[in-house]
Amino acid sequence: DVKVTQSSRYLVKRTGEKVFLECVQDMDHENMFWYRQDPGLGLRLIYFSYDVKMKEKGDIPEGYSVSREKKERFSLILESASTNQTSMYLCATQQGTDTQYFGPGTRLTVL
Amino acid sequence: KQEVTQIPAALSVPEGENLVLNCSFTDSAIYNLQWFRQDPGKGLTSLLLIQSSQREQTSGRLNASLDKSSGRSTLYIAASQPGDSATYLCAVSPLASGTYKYIFGTGTRLKVLA
Repeated sequence: DVKVTQSSRYLVKRTGEKVFLECVQDMDHENMFWYRQDPGLGLRLIYFSYDVKMKEKGDIPEGYSVSREKKERFSLILESASTNQTSMYLCATQQGTDTQYFGPGTRLTVL
Repeated sequence: KQEVTQIPAALSVPEGENLVLNCSFTDSAIYNLQWFRQDPGKGLTSLLLIQSSQREQTSGRLNASLDKSSGRSTLYIAASQPGDSATYLCAVSPLASGTYKYIFGTGTRLKVLA
């Protein structure tokens, strides 16, 4: 079974803090994704990576950056957290055009 | 720009009923379409993946169909059970975006009453 883990299930941070969300997969998948999910807006793609050190912006990259130094790990960074980044963050992995496998999510609250 | 719509947003049915969830998309140029299930506060679980060349896929009590020309997909759940209660999301992978990206609908929240 594919296993996708995210570093925290719940996280509370203050405005202006730098926030790191980590995602780790154990299936050697090429592609990794970060989404945010908000009520009424569904899932929106923030960034994705198709190889180590390779990344592309998704639909809503503003205020976020990513890092992929190793194939199994994809980090999402909020350089200076703001209240409008309070959301559920979901990581996913994919091999080629196969299905996407999702982690359990991190519910981030920015005060 | 590809848009994905799911109607209704919420649905309650008695246990044992057969039901259909609907998904529509605006651009028929897609690689594939996928149906996911999401339990409250959790990640998504893939249910069925239909490639653009396929018409349907089946897994157990679930059957998903794809009609690219009309921009529609349906997820049929037979003999619904309380354990089927969850939010069901469909997502399409547009040709224009490459194979990596999915565009998601906002989901149908299903409640199956015992």
